[in-house]
Amino acid sequence: EVQVVESGGDSVQPGGSLRLSCTTSGFMFSNFWMHWTRQVPGKGLEHVSRINSEGSIITYADSVKGRFTVSRDNAKDTLYVQMNSLRAEDTAVYYCGRGGVYNYGSIDVWGQGTLVTVSS
Amino acid sequence: QSALTQPASVSGSPGQSITISCTGTSSDIGNYKYVSWYQQHPGKAPKLIIYEVSNRPSGVSSRFSASKSGNTASLTISGLQAEDDADYYCTSYAGGFVPFVFGAGTKVTVL
Repeated sequence: EVQVVESGGDSVQPGGSLRLSCTTSGFMFSNFWMHWTRQVPGKGLEHVSRINSEGSIITYADSVKGRFTVSRDNAKDTLYVQMNSLRAEDTAVYYCGRGGVYNYGSIDVWGQGTLVTVSS
Repeated sequence: QSALTQPASVSGSPGQSITISCTGTSSDIGNYKYVSWYQQHPGKAPKLIIYEVSNRPSGVSSRFSASKSGNTASLTISGLQAEDDADYYCTSYAGGFVPFVFGAGTKVTVL
């Protein structure tokens, strides 16, 4: 079964840091683009970042550029996002998703999400 | 990439058909065949229901169909059922490595 599972969500103070992980199984992780998408409770989806299969091309939403760093470990079939200088507006459920083999591919597998709360 | 415009809400009675629009620009929807649609029920993860403008992934009901014309993509749900009550989001590739953008989402209510 193809699966992606997020972990690492927690409550953190403004200005703090957090690293989320996305462990995958059931598919050849190293062949696929991967995505992070977030959703403020009760609001819409916001695409945060995507990374190519090799980890050499990464795009970021303007709202997180310079504060978030996405990476992947193809040997461990795992995707990461390092979130620094966290703000209240980063409070959201963070979803990991599998993209396509190509840059334009849809997100066809989603995790259940992990909640990040930024509050003092 | 500019935001994609969706109606905030659409409603219909069971058995009816409804259509959700997603309006972009000539830089995204108008220029590429890579429009996707996602369904999200409350408290659940999004689910891909349409990719590459009009293709349904395996297991998605044939009651969902989609198309595009010019800068606007459309999702039609035929034979509306109670389980279709959910939020729907569109996205479109915009070339190169431009960040992805989701539409603001459309709340579908089955009356």
